[in-house]
Amino acid sequence: SAVISQKPSRDICQRGTSLTIQCQVDSQVTMMFWYRQQPGQSLTLIATANQGSEATYESGFVIDKFPISRPNLTFSTLTVSNMSPEDSSIYLCSVEFGTGGSGYTFGSGTRLTVV
Amino acid sequence: AQKVTQAQTEISVVEKEDVTLDCVYETRDTTYYLFWYKQPPSGELVFLIRRNSFDEQNEISGRYSWNFQKSTSSFNFTITASQVVDSAVYFCALSEAWGNEKLTFGTGTRLTIIP
Repeated sequence: SAVISQKPSRDICQRGTSLTIQCQVDSQVTMMFWYRQQPGQSLTLIATANQGSEATYESGFVIDKFPISRPNLTFSTLTVSNMSPEDSSIYLCSVEFGTGGSGYTFGSGTRLTVV
Repeated sequence: AQKVTQAQTEISVVEKEDVTLDCVYETRDTTYYLFWYKQPPSGELVFLIRRNSFDEQNEISGRYSWNFQKSTSSFNFTITASQVVDSAVYFCALSEAWGNEKLTFGTGTRLTIIP
């Protein structure tokens, strides 16, 4: 399966600032997925990033708040902008490994605390 | 719309007991994948299994087994002879269509194995 390196692993940020999270995959992948896991909650998809086109955002998530870059087939970034304490969550990137829905592997996550 | 329900929020069992985690799903698609993931206290998501909608055979992997029943839209997960290392949050998830589709997660079941 693909191996994802996600950075940073955790951060504590001041409200009103922005944080950019990076995911590097050890193989080329068509799509990368960004999820949010609020404290004690399940995972919710933020957006799907396809190389060469704009990311597709899920309901409740907007590009101005969560801009995503996908410059090539192995790398993506998610920025959490103008942060508030409500943004404190774990953010995870994910890619499919294999074909035909074989499985999805996840980065180790970024644990964000906004103070 | 797709939905995954894990009715058991928390389960505690004594070590070496067997435990079953329930998962019920809803989808309008005839082609879909079901998944189980483990999230230990460290926070990473560990892929356990993928099952496609055309394969209703039960699967066993060591102490883990999965029972897929389309008639009841369930995909239950059993751990036999539980161990303390099995303590984690377990998520059931669903993806529609083949590959490169988002995962819809259940709310998770927190499993605690008591030594």
